[in-house]
Amino acid sequence: GQSLEQPSEVTAVEGAIVQINCTYQTSGFYGLSWYQQHDGGAPTFLSYNALDGLEETGRFSSFLSRSDSYGYLLLQELQMKDSASYFCAVRDQSGGYQKVTFGIGTKLQVIP
Amino acid sequence: DGGITQSPKYLFRKEGQNVTLSCEQNLNHDAMYWYRQDPGQGLRLIYYSQIVNDFQKGDIAEGYSVSREKKESFPLTVTSAQKNPTAFYLCASSISRDTTYEQYFGPGTRLTVT
Repeated sequence: GQSLEQPSEVTAVEGAIVQINCTYQTSGFYGLSWYQQHDGGAPTFLSYNALDGLEETGRFSSFLSRSDSYGYLLLQELQMKDSASYFCAVRDQSGGYQKVTFGIGTKLQVIP
Repeated sequence: DGGITQSPKYLFRKEGQNVTLSCEQNLNHDAMYWYRQDPGQGLRLIYYSQIVNDFQKGDIAEGYSVSREKKESFPLTVTSAQKNPTAFYLCASSISRDTTYEQYFGPGTRLTVT
C-alpha cells in the first residue's frame, strides 16, 4: 500500500518563506502532486513533479527526490491568503489502474 | 464556464436511509473520483472511474456504491451499511487516466446523518 507523511501544522510570518515536507512509501511511483485547500473549500491543484528537481510556479515551488522518496512545497513571500491546508498526493499504479493517494494535509497559518 | 457541480451543498438524513450525492462535470473529462474528508483528515478515495461504464473501488469503498452511465455524471450512493457516513464528500475529475495527478474538484457536499 501507500503511505505519506507530512507535518500536521506549520506557522509562518507574512512575507517569509515556508517549506512543507512530504515523505512517501509506495510501489509503482509515478509522481507527486500538491494541492491547496482553504477551510470549507475544494482542493485546488498547485503542482506536479514526476522527475527529480525543482519546479517553480510564481511564489510556489515544488521539489522531488525520487531516490529519497521525498518532496517539498516551498512558498515564498507569504501572504495572509496563503493560510490553508496543503496536501501532497502520490500518483502510482496498482492493478493496471493509476490513482492518487493524498496525505493528511499540513495546515499553514500565516501570521502578521 | 466549465466545472464540476455537486448538489446539494448540505444534506441531512436519518440513520438507516440510503442517500445519493450528485456529481456532474462539463469539462469533457474521462476520469472521475469520489473522496471522503473527515475533520482534520486528508482525502480518502472511495471510488474512481477512468471511463464510462467502468469503475474501481478505492481505499474505503465499503458501504458506498457508484455508477458511471454517462461521461458527465458519477453519482455516489451512501448506503445504510456505511457505519459512519457523516463527512464532507468531494467529487473530482481529470482529463484522462493518464492525468490523474491533476484533479479538478467540485465544491463538495457536507452530509450529516443522525
